[in-house]
Amino acid sequence: EVQVLESGGGLVQPGGTLRLSCAASGFTVGSSHMSWVRQAPGKGLEWVSLIYSFGSAYYEDSVKGRFTISRDISKNTVFLQMNSLRSEDTALYFCARADTGFDYWGQGTLVTVSS
Amino acid sequence: QTVVTQEPSLTVSPGGTVTLTCASNTGAVTSANAPNWFQQKPGQAPRPLIYNTNNRHSWTPARFSGSLLGGKGALTLSPVQPEDEAEYYCQLYYGVPQPSWVFGGGTKVTVL
Repeated sequence: EVQVLESGGGLVQPGGTLRLSCAASGFTVGSSHMSWVRQAPGKGLEWVSLIYSFGSAYYEDSVKGRFTISRDISKNTVFLQMNSLRSEDTALYFCARADTGFDYWGQGTLVTVSS
Repeated sequence: QTVVTQEPSLTVSPGGTVTLTCASNTGAVTSANAPNWFQQKPGQAPRPLIYNTNNRHSWTPARFSGSLLGGKGALTLSPVQPEDEAEYYCQLYYGVPQPSWVFGGGTKVTVL
């Protein structure tokens, strides 16, 4: 069964850092495209980042230079390193497999940026 | 800045038909934008419905269909069921200047 499970969210001060993890099962992250999508409280979905199976990575403009997507194939896990966090980064962060129309999603991990 | 626009809200009667649209401020939506559609209910993760314009996932009921309509992406629900009341998001792919995926603001569908 294909599943993804996010973890690593929490409360962090503005300017702080956080690393989110997305553990995959039922498929291999090294052979799949993987993405992060976020949803601020009461708001819509926003694409954040995607890493292709061949390794190229892309970012939404507001997170470029601050966020980094990566993967550990041995752990079958994708990461989102978030630096210089801002209050507007507060959101529920979803991990999704992006092979066929972003077909499998986790339940999300909540990131709150506040002093 | 790329903006994808959806109807904020639509109301439909059970058994009826409703079409949601997805427009891009960069021009007509085409198959190259590979429209995806998602359903989200309160407190739940998005549920993928349609990918690459008109393809259903294995779990998507046949009453959901995707298309291109008048330069926009479109999602049609027919016949509408009470459990279809939800927020619906479209997502478009843009290849230039670099790959990006943009969600619309969502359409709240109310079944009354």
